[in-house]
Amino acid sequence: EAGVVQSPRYKIIEKKQPVAFWCNPISGHNTLYWYLQNLGQGPELLIRYENEEAVDDSQLPKDRFSAERLKGVDSTLKIQPAELGDSAVYLCASSAGTSGRTDTQYFGPGTRLTVL
Amino acid sequence: ILNVEQSPQSLHVQEGDSTNFTCSFPSSNFYALHWYRWETAKSPEALFVMTLNGDEKKKGRISATLNTKEGYSYLYIKGSQPEDSATYLCAPSGGNEKLTFGTGTRLTIIP
Repeated sequence: EAGVVQSPRYKIIEKKQPVAFWCNPISGHNTLYWYLQNLGQGPELLIRYENEEAVDDSQLPKDRFSAERLKGVDSTLKIQPAELGDSAVYLCASSAGTSGRTDTQYFGPGTRLTVL
Repeated sequence: ILNVEQSPQSLHVQEGDSTNFTCSFPSSNFYALHWYRWETAKSPEALFVMTLNGDEKKKGRISATLNTKEGYSYLYIKGSQPEDSATYLCAPSGGNEKLTFGTGTRLTIIP
C-alpha cells in the first residue's frame, strides 16, 4: 500500500513569493490533515478535511494561507506571499476514519520550506 | 491548547542498553494518547494509540504504558539498536478533534 505522498520535498523561495505544496493521501482515507512543524517544536495542525470539507481551519492564518481538497482526494496548501517566519516543515497526514482524537494518522515525509 | 511535556529532550544510549522516556499531559478531558517515531528524512511513523488508564502496548522491542489519572505515558525501548535512533513524539487528544504534539525526545544510539 502506497503511503502519503508529498511534493516537493524541499523548496527554497524568496520572501513575498508564492509557494504551493501538494499532498496525495492513502487511497480510501477520507480525512486529511496539514501540519506545520517549526524547528524544535512538535507538529501543529493547520487544517483538517473530511472528504472535501474543511472541518477545522481555526489555526490556518487565512490572510496568507489557503488550502483546497477538490474531489476529496489530493490537497494543495498555498502560501501567498511567503514570509521569513514561514520557513518550516509542512506535513500532510491522512486517516481512514473521521476521529481526529483516536484514529491513527499516517504522515507523509513533509516539505521543508526555506524562505530567504 | 493542551500543555504537553516530553522528557528528556535528548538522550544518548549505548547500543544494547534499554531506555525510557516520558510524556506528560493534562489528565482532565483526556481522550487518547498517540506515540510516533520520526527518523530523519523520513515520515513520522505511528507506534501506538492508547485510550484506557493502565493500557500497555508493545511492538517488538518498544512498549508503552498509560496513566490517565496522573497524566503521563512512558515509552520503553529494550536492547536499543542503531535503527532506534529517531525523535519520539507523543500527542494526546482532548476535548477537540485534534492531536497536540509534544516537542519530542531525540534518541541517539551509540554503536
